Amino acid sequence: GAVVSQHPSWVICKSGTSVKIECRSLDFQATTMFWYRQFPKQSLMLMATSNEGSKATYEQGVEKDKFLINHASLTLSTLTVTSAHPEDSSFYICSARDLGQGNIQYFGAGTRLSVL
Amino acid sequence: AQSVTQPDIHITVSEGASLELRCNYSYGATPYLFWYVQSPGQGLQLLLKYFSGDTLVQGIKGFEAEFKRSQSSFNLRKPSVHWSDAAEYFCALATGGGNKLTFGTGTQLKVEL
Repeated sequence: GAVVSQHPSWVICKSGTSVKIECRSLDFQATTMFWYRQFPKQSLMLMATSNEGSKATYEQGVEKDKFLINHASLTLSTLTVTSAHPEDSSFYICSARDLGQGNIQYFGAGTRLSVL
Repeated sequence: AQSVTQPDIHITVSEGASLELRCNYSYGATPYLFWYVQSPGQGLQLLLKYFSGDTLVQGIKGFEAEFKRSQSSFNLRKPSVHWSDAAEYFCALATGGGNKLTFGTGTQLKVEL
């Protein structure tokens, strides 16, 4: 299947700093990528849909200014957590939709964010 | 609104025993359904999918799932579980033209040796 790379896998930062997470589709072009957040022992919650060359679509309750998404190319989307606080600590997972495979999303390995 | 329910939070089976994980969905149109598996600290790996056609779908690692429209179910099965199958399993429903995935709450599978 298609491969999605997510980096970094784990990041620790101080409160008030910003953190950037990258999501790359390695062997296919992804016009649409997705960002999810997963709390411990819980399911994935969609945060936003990232479309190449246009603004991201955020789910209700997700702060656009807190979670900046950029999808500048067909293989890369980034999520920047701005002015991170301890409550932003979570597991963030990206996925990319492979149009060649229909409506299938392939997932990255996730990023564990710990804000001190 | 669409929803996915996985009634079993935890399931424990013995290695070599059969497995069935339950998934029920609520959606007004024809669903696109998926099963994903997640190992600790990892992303999700696609096990299998149902879009249309044959209601019994085969996936990777010996898993299969059966779509039953009358019961709004998409249960995952495996005839003989291996210790390496221990993980979290998520059922998901695609809507919005296939854009949005709605996940169930997951079932944690433990395999006893």
